[in-house]
Amino acid sequence: DADVTQTPRNRITKTGKRIMLECSQTKGHDRMYWYRQDPGLGLQLIYYSFDVKDINKGEISDGYSVSRQAQAKFSLSLESAIPNQTALYFCATSAGKRTGELFFGEGSRLTVL
Amino acid sequence: TQLLEQSPQFLSIQEGENLTVYCNSSSVFSSLQWYRQEPGEGPVLLVTVVTGGEVKKLKRLTFQFGDARKDSSLHITAAQPGDTGLYLCAGAQLNKFYFGSGTKLNVKP
Repeated sequence: DADVTQTPRNRITKTGKRIMLECSQTKGHDRMYWYRQDPGLGLQLIYYSFDVKDINKGEISDGYSVSRQAQAKFSLSLESAIPNQTALYFCATSAGKRTGELFFGEGSRLTVL
Repeated sequence: TQLLEQSPQFLSIQEGENLTVYCNSSSVFSSLQWYRQEPGEGPVLLVTVVTGGEVKKLKRLTFQFGDARKDSSLHITAAQPGDTGLYLCAGAQLNKFYFGSGTKLNVKP
């Protein structure tokens, strides 16, 4: 089983719909991140959380919200999806060391029509 | 505007050739990481460099961190088809990781 699990893996939705992407981890890490990947733009940080009571905006948080339900769970919501939110979304975790590695899930591909 | 600029964006070479990928910034990073991503999967860490001027080798891959900790390079010697993938650099600042736009490498047999 994957250490970082994302659901759903693929989702097609319509403009204006509310969408939630879920992430759960078994690595025991405190730090969790949501990234968005678009062709030619690499990975852009949406939100990050260093523990259950800590939520921080990243580079591109507009139009997104998150919830850290537990140490192991971090969900990303699009309250009213729009077509330019069509992208590949990744959840990642980190142990929090200065040189700490990011461990990624397999990604959630979202298409907004 | 990306904090980290990677070049080239695309690279298609023959098996056995050497190549270098560059990751540049005007900002200083506490550490820099290189990841490799295969289609349908998340990025996987290759290496972390921490000290300015540091060089690390991973089989045929050589990673260097610039003296001022603003840039890095990845050199692959005698590339093989199995090296095909998307290579991403990521710089760490204040416990956040900023990614470059990626270099898509295709190694033809």
